[in-house]
Amino acid sequence: RKEVEQDPGPFNVPEGATVAFNCTYSNSASQSFFWYRQDCRKEPKLLMSVYSSGNEDGRFTAQLNRASQYISLLIRDSKLSDSATYLCVVNRAGLTGGGNKLTFGTGTQLKVEL
Amino acid sequence: DARVTQTPRHKVTEMGQEVTMRCQPILGHNTVFWYRQTMMQGLELLAYFRNRAPLDDSGMPKDRFSAEMPDATLATLKIQPSEPRDSAVYFCASGGRGVNEQFFGPGTRLTVL
Repeated sequence: RKEVEQDPGPFNVPEGATVAFNCTYSNSASQSFFWYRQDCRKEPKLLMSVYSSGNEDGRFTAQLNRASQYISLLIRDSKLSDSATYLCVVNRAGLTGGGNKLTFGTGTQLKVEL
Repeated sequence: DARVTQTPRHKVTEMGQEVTMRCQPILGHNTVFWYRQTMMQGLELLAYFRNRAPLDDSGMPKDRFSAEMPDATLATLKIQPSEPRDSAVYFCASGGRGVNEQFFGPGTRLTVL
């Protein structure tokens, strides 16, 4: 079983739709959680951190359920420019004490269409 | 605008050849990571350094891969000898002290024929 699992998609949605991505992680000792965005043939970039209380950044809402080891990302009023792959990322508690050691899911591809 | 830089951006080589990839982390960042990305496996951590010291290279095939950080402005990843299964995009990323965000370079797209 992979440490971080996501539905690979693709999710094809019309412009203006609301789309939700889900992610589960297996290591209950995981400490921090993020969503990264990766455009086609580009590098991943941080989209937003995910906090236990849930957090919102404009049209994007991230939620974390530690009991279920589940993370979600909701995009409202989707735009063509939201088309990308969304990577669920978890900060493992590394034996070396490296606080920055991240594990990436394989990503969910989103295509927003006219 | 501080960025992670990587060279070369593209590399096509023949099986058995040595490949060297270079990375310049963001100035002041003390943690450097090497990742490999393929369609099948996604992003896999190969190795990472903190303050130039290797902390973890358990994700790296030891027999052919090596990673070094000769100084704070340069990290290298070598493959010798290269094999077709090494074809992938190799990303370098750097992170600042106490900060979880990692900043990625544009990647080296490697094709081994």
